Amino acid sequence: GAVVSQHPSRVICKSGTSVKIECRSLDFQATTMFWYRQFPKQSLMLMATSNEGSKATYEQGVEKDKFLINHASLTLSTLTVTSAHPEDSSFYICSARLLPRGGGTYGYTFGSGTRLTVV
Amino acid sequence: KQEVTQIPAALSVPEGENLVLNCSFTDSAIYNLQWFRQDPGKGLTSLLLIQSSQREQTSGRLNASLDKSSGRSTLYIAASQPGDSATYLCAVNQAGTALIFGKGTTLSVSS
Repeated sequence: GAVVSQHPSRVICKSGTSVKIECRSLDFQATTMFWYRQFPKQSLMLMATSNEGSKATYEQGVEKDKFLINHASLTLSTLTVTSAHPEDSSFYICSARLLPRGGGTYGYTFGSGTRLTVV
Repeated sequence: KQEVTQIPAALSVPEGENLVLNCSFTDSAIYNLQWFRQDPGKGLTSLLLIQSSQREQTSGRLNASLDKSSGRSTLYIAASQPGDSATYLCAVNQAGTALIFGKGTTLSVSS
């Protein structure tokens, strides 16, 4: 099946530094990637939608200059948290949209998530 | 704006019980509804996907139903086991758009 590999799974960084999270589609081309974050005991909140080769579309309230998304190829999308602060500590997870095959429906596959802790 | 609500937020049952998790959504113009399982600190595992034209899907001990017109879905788990303990998330999408998630139901099954 379609697999998205997300790295790192855990990262601890100092306040003020930047962290890059990578999501790679291993056996398919991901034209569209969604980025979510999840705070403890909360649901997954959509941060942004990225399409290969174009600028990401950010949800209201998400700072595009802080959360840089790059989707330069069909198999790689990255999220960079710039100048991270403790309030950015969260679980970040990517999701690729799977195009329908043979008249089937859209599906979604998820990375395994990245636990970011900013100290 | 689509909103997804899940009830109850938490549920504790003894092993062997059948149980129902509820999901409701405000905009009935959905394309798919999907149920996921999330273990603590982990990613998501897709359980069942129901297309808008379908009314239910089954996989093993799991059965999900969809009443699109009323904006509701249920996830039925038969003969619950301790290994079923996890958070169950309901999510909906319109064609090609991102999934919108509920806050989940945290299930605990005791042996």
